[in-house]
Formats: sequence, structure tokens, C-alpha cells
Amino acid sequence: QSVLTQPPSVSAAPGQRVTISCSGSSSNIGKNLVSWYQQFPGTAPKLLIYDNRERVSGIPDRFSGSRSGTAATLAITGVQTGDEADYYCGSWDTNLYASVFGGGTKLTVL
Amino acid sequence: EVQLLESGGGLAQPGGSLRLSCAASGFSFDTYAMTWVRQAPGKGLQWVSTLSGSGDTAIYADSVEGRFTISRDNSRSTLYLQMNNLRAEDTAIYFCAKVPISEVVTHYFPSWGQGALVTVSS
Repeated sequence: QSVLTQPPSVSAAPGQRVTISCSGSSSNIGKNLVSWYQQFPGTAPKLLIYDNRERVSGIPDRFSGSRSGTAATLAITGVQTGDEADYYCGSWDTNLYASVFGGGTKLTVL
Repeated sequence: EVQLLESGGGLAQPGGSLRLSCAASGFSFDTYAMTWVRQAPGKGLQWVSTLSGSGDTAIYADSVEGRFTISRDNSRSTLYLQMNNLRAEDTAIYFCAKVPISEVVTHYFPSWGQGALVTVSS
């Protein structure tokens, strides 16, 4: 059971916009910054977004992050087949005094 | 370029021990905290432990507290994870990751190793 809650899967047609949600609480997303990771099968996670909305150098501006209250969202515009991967949100939990992740969301590009 | 290379994974029996290593290069190792994150087969990411850059502050997930010990040798730019009293549920790929600051409180992990597989089975 992950501390942060993500939908198990989302899907979109090529070229469409898709969003992935990440729900937390006042002890994590509500007061701490959020990050997003992309993971292809058999590879290590790759940081996409940090500090809620800052893109890592080299990440296309098709990827964007936002936070509102105790929830965060990763948006991907102009989805491509190469974006098919698992996406994870992460943050810090002040009460647990621990780093926390969401359970992951599998993006399927139809 | 930051490079992290894990080693030491393998098969262990329940109740047994293993020690993972993570050799780091491309950055000033003692300036940054380091962490271990694991991923059970077909499952999501689970944070395991983080150690400060100086090595004087370590934090652990409840599931491994008292069984795992994180440590580092800054002279060798190497991070370790000593895993004792292993359980079947510890079976996972273990990734080491760099923290962007020297303290253990962190919101993200910018660099990851390729992972080491640990299998706990009789």
C-alpha cells in the first residue's frame, strides 16, 4: 500500500493530452515538493519533474507538473508511442520522516 | 557525468545476509546524501534508506529498520547496504540513487544506478 495514490493505468491516442494524478495528504504533498519519474521495462527510473513543476534539463516541454493542495498532476501533451512507460510520483512525508512514492501508473498509447 | 554502479546482488536464503555496494563517480561523493530504493517484481518503487553525505545520519523504512544498515566509504566513493535476516518479501531490484543535497530530507532523486537483483528463497 503506497502512501501516495495513483491510478494503475491511463491511456491516450497519439497526439492527445493525458494527465496522471497523484493524491497524498497534508504531511506529504500538502507541505512538501513533488517529483515525477518515468520508467521503461527493465530500466532504472528517470527523473522528469522536480519541485512540483521544474523539468529536468533535456526533458521535452510536453511534460509538465503541477500541484494543488494535497494532489499533484503530471500532464503529457502530444503523447507519443515512445512515452509508453510507468510513471511514479514522489515526495517527502514529514510525519513518517521518509521519502514516499506513488504506486505507479502505466501509460498506454493506443 | 554521474555514474552509479550497484553490485553484490544474488540469491540468499530466508534469514541470510547480503551486502550491496554502489560505486559512484562523476561527482563529489561526500557532498551528497545517498539512498536505496527497491522494486519488487512487477511492483512499484519503495524507498528503503537514506544516508547523509557525512555518514552521520541514516533513516530507514519501517519494513527494514533493525535488519538493514546503510553505510558509506567516502574515500572509495562507495555506498553500501548490509541486509540481514532477509525475508522473501525483500526480493526486489535494489537501486542506489543520488540525493541533490547532503542531508537526508529530500524531495527527489536526480540520478539512479541500473539496479541489483536480490532474491530471497530457499
